[in-house]
Amino acid sequence: DAKTTQPPSMDCAEGRAANLPCNHSTISGNEYVYWYRQIHSQGPQYIIHGLKNNETNEMASLIITEDRKSSTLILPHATLRDTAVYYCIAVRGNNRKLIWGLGTSLAVNP
Amino acid sequence: SAVISQKPSRDICQRGTSLTIQCQVDSQVTMMFWYRQQPGQSLTLIATANQGSEATYESGFVIDKFPISRPNLTFSTLTVSNMSPEDSSIYLCSVDRSGVVGYTFGSGTRLTVV
Repeated sequence: DAKTTQPPSMDCAEGRAANLPCNHSTISGNEYVYWYRQIHSQGPQYIIHGLKNNETNEMASLIITEDRKSSTLILPHATLRDTAVYYCIAVRGNNRKLIWGLGTSLAVNP
Repeated sequence: SAVISQKPSRDICQRGTSLTIQCQVDSQVTMMFWYRQQPGQSLTLIATANQGSEATYESGFVIDKFPISRPNLTFSTLTVSNMSPEDSSIYLCSVDRSGVVGYTFGSGTRLTVV
């Protein structure tokens, strides 16, 4: 699976949009981009995933560049409860094993 | 109610002893995964547990150190054997639920070995 690169930390003001970037320049055509987050002292939580098209659900939006070499997770109105480590993972459709990087530690400030 | 119940949530153990961690799922699942998360680090897959067969271990993890049981489709245990302080980590179980996108994780077991 392709390696992903994320900034180690980011800050965001409460109520503002949090835009978390992820670089996956070696991603192959059959690899999906998955996002998870891990709130302190909890297990990771699935957020969203996509292949080519932009995706939106009740938690977030995922913007994938046309060349698929990078993506951005958008939390439209960040709250204090969104403070967590966010992981971007590239996964082949039939591969059950996830390779976790260090993620981005997002701090949402009041 | 929780989809995955993981017990114990935390423990402090003496070196040389063993701890068994339980993972109970509220529905039948084919595959269950066990992860380790060392302090300040990301998640590392230990093994995949399939019902009715031996677990599949990742490089660097062996059955003698981390024996796994999978007696049915809703339950699994991971034992951390002959513990040393280097085994101090959070241990997590995860499942791939039918009809649910993404993997579901337990809340983790925070293990401290003294």
